[in-house]
Amino acid sequence: AQSVTQLGSHVSVSEGALVLLRCNYSSSVPPYLFWYVQYPNQGLQLLLKYTSAATLVKGINGFEAEFKKSETSFHLTKPSAHMSDAAEYFCAVSENSGGFKTIFGAGTRLFVKA
Amino acid sequence: DAGVTQSPTHLIKTRGQHVTLRCSPISGHKSVSWYQQVLGQGPQFIFQYYEKEERGRGNFPDRFSARQFPNYSSELNVNALLLGDSALYLCASSFATPGYGYTFGSGTRLTVV
Repeated sequence: AQSVTQLGSHVSVSEGALVLLRCNYSSSVPPYLFWYVQYPNQGLQLLLKYTSAATLVKGINGFEAEFKKSETSFHLTKPSAHMSDAAEYFCAVSENSGGFKTIFGAGTRLFVKA
Repeated sequence: DAGVTQSPTHLIKTRGQHVTLRCSPISGHKSVSWYQQVLGQGPQFIFQYYEKEERGRGNFPDRFSARQFPNYSSELNVNALLLGDSALYLCASSFATPGYGYTFGSGTRLTVV
């Protein structure tokens, strides 16, 4: 069964600094991997997805993530944090096993300091 | 284009009551999934429906049930509400391929008192 582990429930960076949010997954078949962002009192919005094409995936708002099979990781990065990036970020894994379900990690809250 | 719409946005129920939550997917999306998100946690998978059939079920008790209608809208029903059912219930629609990703609604905030 698939699972997702997000390292660090809270991450704090200064505005303009590198953002790095960590995600490790477990899947018995080649996975589909996603990052979602959630702002307060809202649903989740898809940032980017990996679907076995390029291992470096670019998403919206300047975010990107790299799929590393050997490390079973899919870390999210952004070169320069902006105040508007402050939100909750969720890593998710999905696999096709007769119907499919997407499993989400516990989330990482990103704080951006001025 | 309309996004995923959920109703109601907020709901307060008493323990033991029943609740029905509704979801309309994006036009063209035939798959609807339901998630429960307790404050401070990630979304927990409840159900996935495609073409009116259940395609996946999470680790939730039988008090939780759902269905999908011919127009692809969906209802989530919860019977015999418990205090622990208080959460944000999210509906997500997608094409029926695991690599497509979801479009989420804004959710229904259920409070059980």
